[in-house]
Amino acid sequence: DAGITQSPRHKVTETGTPVTLRCHQTENHRYMYWYRQDPGHGLRLIHYSYGVKDTDKGEVSDGYSVSRSKTEDFLLTLESATSSQTSVYFCAISENPSETQYFGPGTRLLVL
Amino acid sequence: AQSVTQLDSQVPVFEEAPVELRCNYSSSVSVYLFWYVQYPNQGLQLLLKYLSGSILVKGINGFEAEFNKSQTSFHLRKPSVHISDTAEYFCAVSAFRGNTPLVFGKGTRLSVIA
Repeated sequence: DAGITQSPRHKVTETGTPVTLRCHQTENHRYMYWYRQDPGHGLRLIHYSYGVKDTDKGEVSDGYSVSRSKTEDFLLTLESATSSQTSVYFCAISENPSETQYFGPGTRLLVL
Repeated sequence: AQSVTQLDSQVPVFEEAPVELRCNYSSSVSVYLFWYVQYPNQGLQLLLKYLSGSILVKGINGFEAEFNKSQTSFHLRKPSVHISDTAEYFCAVSAFRGNTPLVFGKGTRLSVIA
């Protein structure tokens, strides 16, 4: 299995609070991705990174920001969490954007 | 840009019966195609992929998929399913040597009934 960890694995927070999710890889892959998974919507790309300090928006980026200061870490921040951001968040990595992605175990976030 | 449609959101099937999960894609350029599986409370795992070569691709757990360029399809099949195949299956597409990420379908939930 690809070495990808996500932390925390579960989080409950209140509306309006900031939340940061961390993705850590040991594979030295250049590309890292954040997705959210919701019933009926499948996987939707939030942001992705193609190198240290290089990021781009995905399909559902509003309300989210990301940072990548090291190859191995990709952070997803909800500046002010809303109930609509209750979801399961997955991190993924790949060597290049058009080929196989490897997924982390997910973070289950509940915003009350 | 690429897009993918999984034609069935849910597929119930009896144990030991065959199954086909359908995936159609849209692209103006050549593509790579993928099937992923997600077991309950887990992340996605690669089941199989088509990059080039033989149009019949074999994956893990006895699954296979056939690339049909004329019908822009990449359907997933298994001749005899097991209870343990109960999971959600995602089809994904990307542009050949492209610089944009994979595009995922909305998923098909396969339920195997004893």
